[in-house]
Amino acid sequence: GAVVSQHPSWVICKSGTSVKIECRSLDFQATTMFWYRQFPKQSLMLMATSNEGSKATYEQGVEKDKFLINHASLTLSTLTVTSAHPEDSSFYICSARDGSTSGNTIYFGEGSWLTVV
Amino acid sequence: GDSVTQMEGPVTLSEEAFLTINCTYTATGYPSLFWYVQYPGEGLQLLLKATKADDKGSNKGFEATYRKETTSFHLEKGSVQVSDSAVYFCALSDRVTNAGKSTFGDGTTLTVKP
Repeated sequence: GAVVSQHPSWVICKSGTSVKIECRSLDFQATTMFWYRQFPKQSLMLMATSNEGSKATYEQGVEKDKFLINHASLTLSTLTVTSAHPEDSSFYICSARDGSTSGNTIYFGEGSWLTVV
Repeated sequence: GDSVTQMEGPVTLSEEAFLTINCTYTATGYPSLFWYVQYPGEGLQLLLKATKADDKGSNKGFEATYRKETTSFHLEKGSVQVSDSAVYFCALSDRVTNAGKSTFGDGTTLTVKP
């Protein structure tokens, strides 16, 4: 079964509103989580690295004030898309690192489809 | 930095044909290599992985061998089915230098026709 859960799987919001996506590690503690974005027919691009108890590290070109990331606990990271616009419509997916395993196993969530209308 | 180059698609095959999707990588550390599959309208699923040189990952009839000498991780399947139609992503994750960040190839769309 899934070890990383994302919610919601699908969300439609109005332009100008904010939407929050949750990423939970179900069976392990994840000190580090990653957020990716995938535009239609393109690859996945890393947006930011989320560290528990500290500020997220954003990749170049990603607006930190628009994509708010909070990693308040060892099992939950949230991505909030603020003042969403149609160009933010995309597939957002998180991954979490299980540092307890010798190989630092990475697990991906199921992803969240965001449509801004 | 790290990079992954995948064979360009789309790839169209007849059912029971042999599949190869090429993948090469560039990494400064000691990466683990992955193949992910994304079915239409769905999220990302791990298909197989290999964590060190000469390891072979396999799952659902798919195989890929970690070739350090050629920096490659080509995906193969002996006999594809219509249900294998999906987008396939090659990816790497370097445990040492980037602690879990994944770098993805551009994806290869596979269509299998009956």
